[in-house]
Amino acid sequence: NAGVMQNPRHLVRRRGQEARLRCSPMKGHSHVYWYRQLPEEGLKFMVYLQKENIIDESGMPKERFSAEFPKEGPSILRIQQVVRGDSAAYFCASSLNSPFGAYEQYFGPGTRLTVT
Amino acid sequence: TQLLEQSPQFLSIQEGENLTVYCNSSSVFSSLQWYRQEPGEGPVLLVTVVTGGEVKKLKRLTFQFGDARKDSSLHITAAQPGDTGLYLCAGTYLAQKLVFGQGTRLTINP
Repeated sequence: NAGVMQNPRHLVRRRGQEARLRCSPMKGHSHVYWYRQLPEEGLKFMVYLQKENIIDESGMPKERFSAEFPKEGPSILRIQQVVRGDSAAYFCASSLNSPFGAYEQYFGPGTRLTVT
Repeated sequence: TQLLEQSPQFLSIQEGENLTVYCNSSSVFSSLQWYRQEPGEGPVLLVTVVTGGEVKKLKRLTFQFGDARKDSSLHITAAQPGDTGLYLCAGTYLAQKLVFGQGTRLTINP
C-alpha cells in the first residue's frame, strides 16, 4: 500500500542546468499538487494537475517552471536553467476526487534540490 | 490572498504538560487540515475538519474547528518527547490548493 512516491530524494544541479522532479501519486488518486518549501519558510502551493490537465498553476513562476501529469507515468515538475534561488524542498501531494472536493492531500517525502 | 496565522511559532515545554497551538484567518475555510512534519520528510496528515464547531480526537491530541470556520486549535494533553516536531495547519478556500500556516515548532523536554 505505497504512499506518494517522489524521486530523486536529493538532487544537485549547477546553475543553468535543468532539474526534473518526479511524483507518483497514491494508488487510485487522480489529483496531484506540487508545493515548494524554501529554507525557513512555509509550504507554498505551485500547481494542481489532473491526468493530462493543468487545473491551477497560479503559484508557479511564469518562467522556467513547467509541470505535467501524463495519461501514463508520473507527474513531472521541470525547472529549466536553475538558479540558486530555486534551492528548496519540493513536495508532491495527491488526493482522491470526492463528492465534497478533493481536500485531503497526502504528501510524498519531497525532493531536496540544491543549486550550486 | 488568504493568510493563515499560526501561533506560537516556537514552543518548548516539559514532558507531561499540556499545550495548545492556534491557527487563525480572516477568511472562512472550506476545510482545514493539521499535519506534522519531521526533518527531511514530507508532512503527514493528522486530521481534517470540515464542519464549524467540529471536535476530533486522536489519542492525546484534540482538534477543534471554530464555529465560524475561521480558526482552529490543536491541544495536546500530557505531552511526551515523541510529540516533538513541526505542526502545520493548512486550509482550503473553495479552491483545491492548500494554504499553509508558518508552522509551530514544538519541543518536549524529558
